[in-house]
Amino acid sequence: GENVEQHPSTLSVQEGDSAVIKCTYSDSASNYFPWYKQELGKGPQLIIDIRSNVGEKKDQRIAVTLNKTAKHFSLHITETQPEDSAVYFCAASRVGDSSYKLIFGSGTRLLVRP
Amino acid sequence: NAGVTQTPKFQVLKTGQSMTLQCAQDMNHEYMSWYRQDPGMGLRLIHYSVGAGITDQGEVPNGYNVSRSTTEDFPLRLLSAAPSQTSVYFCASSYLSAGGSPLHFGNGTRLTVT
Repeated sequence: GENVEQHPSTLSVQEGDSAVIKCTYSDSASNYFPWYKQELGKGPQLIIDIRSNVGEKKDQRIAVTLNKTAKHFSLHITETQPEDSAVYFCAASRVGDSSYKLIFGSGTRLLVRP
Repeated sequence: NAGVTQTPKFQVLKTGQSMTLQCAQDMNHEYMSWYRQDPGMGLRLIHYSVGAGITDQGEVPNGYNVSRSTTEDFPLRLLSAAPSQTSVYFCASSYLSAGGSPLHFGNGTRLTVT
């Protein structure tokens, strides 16, 4: 089955610096790659997603890149702010056929130091 | 519009007891799923459903049962609780889309089995 590995498990950056989180996936048929942010005591919330027909997607300070050949994708946060501190999860799924399993990575705890 | 509602928020069980975690959504989503979250292991898929009357196993289904009699509700049953089932449980729902659709998560149920 699909396996998603996520690195690093913890990341500490100075406010204003950039943060990068990387994920690799095992199923070459995966075609949907969302990223979720989880704040303390709450459920994860989607922040950005990318599909396999696109190599990069941006939304203000957040961007995601996808390398299908290498089977890895990354989350980039620029100009980090204290409110970006949270746990971030990547995920991968094969949508469009009968499989609807969304498999998550193990998470990255991001701390933005003021 | 309440989104995804999970009850209870907290539960303590003794080994061998059974219980049902409730999940309801009011967004008319076809897809519903249950995840468990453990430290360092991210979110692991337990069971999922693509519509009323249809359920399937995820990554870690053993010890759990589900049913989907209505579009709105997707309860998770623990038949005989074990300490290994101590975890935070999240229910999530989404539309079914060939291009991938964001999951909407509840705020979780924290379960402790002693």
